Amino acid sequence: EAGVAQSPRYKIIEKRQSVAFWCNPISGHATLYWYQQILGQGPKLLIQFQNNGVVDDSQLPKDRFSAERLKGVDSTLKIQPAKLEDSAVYLCASSPRPGPSTGELFFGEGSRLTVL
Amino acid sequence: AQKVTQAQTEISVVEKEDVTLDCVYETRDTTYYLFWYKQPPSGELVFLIRRNSFDEQNEISGRYSWNFQKSTSSFNFTITASQVVDSAVYFCALMFNYGGATNKLIFGTGTLLAVQP
Repeated sequence: EAGVAQSPRYKIIEKRQSVAFWCNPISGHATLYWYQQILGQGPKLLIQFQNNGVVDDSQLPKDRFSAERLKGVDSTLKIQPAKLEDSAVYLCASSPRPGPSTGELFFGEGSRLTVL
Repeated sequence: AQKVTQAQTEISVVEKEDVTLDCVYETRDTTYYLFWYKQPPSGELVFLIRRNSFDEQNEISGRYSWNFQKSTSSFNFTITASQVVDSAVYFCALMFNYGGATNKLIFGTGTLLAVQP
């Protein structure tokens, strides 16, 4: 079974530029998550989708971050304009259903963003 | 408040030593779930275990064991006879109901375990 795919793995941009990250979850997984992991910290949930609807985006900085999952499958996370503090690893995860009954979230390898 | 605390930032042991990673959580919910994840240098988070708040039985899986104590709000993780391949960052996480059918998973800050040969 293929895992969660993310691209690009690495991206370096200058502040005020824009960047987009792509995630393809495990086939059949209805729930998709984007987490931000700053160096030395635990992952922080940015947004959670159930199919193509948003169920939690309370920690997404909506003035600069946006995310979509138009067909309920793959997803894109965009940052525009980027700030220095956005330097982090952006992790995508998926699970068959929302909630703990699934047992676990399956994570991708992440996209590492460096903002200069 | 919903919170996970991993007080140990870094631990270094020599191969074959036993090591315990501490996790303390805070939640106002009576139903919640606790997780441990491993993050090797490659970056992906690997699921290790899930426990629900009604099951305080300790669990053993090979060299790994977990001790869940609601009285102290702790969910500690022990690796017996550590190996170099165990070197990674380990995260404890708490899942709770956020409203309706939405559950939220929050992580601690992680413990970096270095196993020296």
